Amino acid sequence: EVQLVESGGGLVQPGGSLKLSCAASGFTFSSHRMNWVRQAPGKGLEWVANIKQDGSDKYYVDSVKGRFTISRDNAKNEVCLQMNSLRAEDTALYYCARGLGVHGYVFDIWGQGTMVTVSS
Amino acid sequence: DIVMTQSPDSLAVSLGERATINCKSSQSVLYNSNNKNYLAWYQQKPGQPPKLLIYWASTRESGVPDRFSGSGSGTDFTLTISSLQAEDVAVYYCQQYYNSPPPAFGGGTKVEIK
Repeated sequence: EVQLVESGGGLVQPGGSLKLSCAASGFTFSSHRMNWVRQAPGKGLEWVANIKQDGSDKYYVDSVKGRFTISRDNAKNEVCLQMNSLRAEDTALYYCARGLGVHGYVFDIWGQGTMVTVSS
Repeated sequence: DIVMTQSPDSLAVSLGERATINCKSSQSVLYNSNNKNYLAWYQQKPGQPPKLLIYWASTRESGVPDRFSGSGSGTDFTLTISSLQAEDVAVYYCQQYYNSPPPAFGGGTKVEIK
C-alpha cells in the first residue's frame, strides 16, 4: 500500500524549533519529488517546500525561506522538514505529499498530517 | 505569483443534482508548447487529507468516479459533479502548477447537501 506517515509535530514556543519527518512506503521513493503542504486551522492549503528526487534542488514558499529546511534520505525513504524560528503563523497541520510528474507540484499521495502549534 | 480565486465559497445542492465550482487564475496557466493547462483539483472531506481528483485541468486521477469532470482553459476553469452523492460533501480546491514554485491553491469551495 502506498503510504506517507508524518510525525514530529507538537507544541512549541515562538522562536523555537521542531523537526517533522515523513516515512514513505509502497512506492519507489527516490523516483519522486516530495513536498510539505500546510493547513492552518479552519483555513485553506498552502504549499511549503519541495525537494528534488536526489535532494539537489529545494524550493520554499517565501514566508519560510531562511527558517525551514527540507531534506530527504532515500535509503530510509524519509523526507524531513526542519523548522526554526517558529512563529504563531506557522501553526498548522503539516502534510507530506508526493509529487507527480517532472516538477512534482501535483500532489497525488498525502499523509494524514502532523499538527504544529506555536504558542507561549 | 499567480493568484487562484474560487467561486462560490460554498454551495448546497440536492442529491442527484449538478454541482459546479469555478476557479479563475490571475494569469493564464496554459503552456502553449504542449497545449496543457497546469491546473489540478482536490477534494478534502472533513478530518481527512486532500485527495487528487483531476490534473491537466481535465484528466481524472485513477479511481475517481466519472461524475467528476474538469473543464476550461487559460484562466477560467470549472469542476463539475454531474450527480451529487452524499459522499461528495467536502471542500474542493483548485491549484495551479504552471508558475511553480510556488504552486498556488484557491481558497476552497464547500459543497453541502440541500
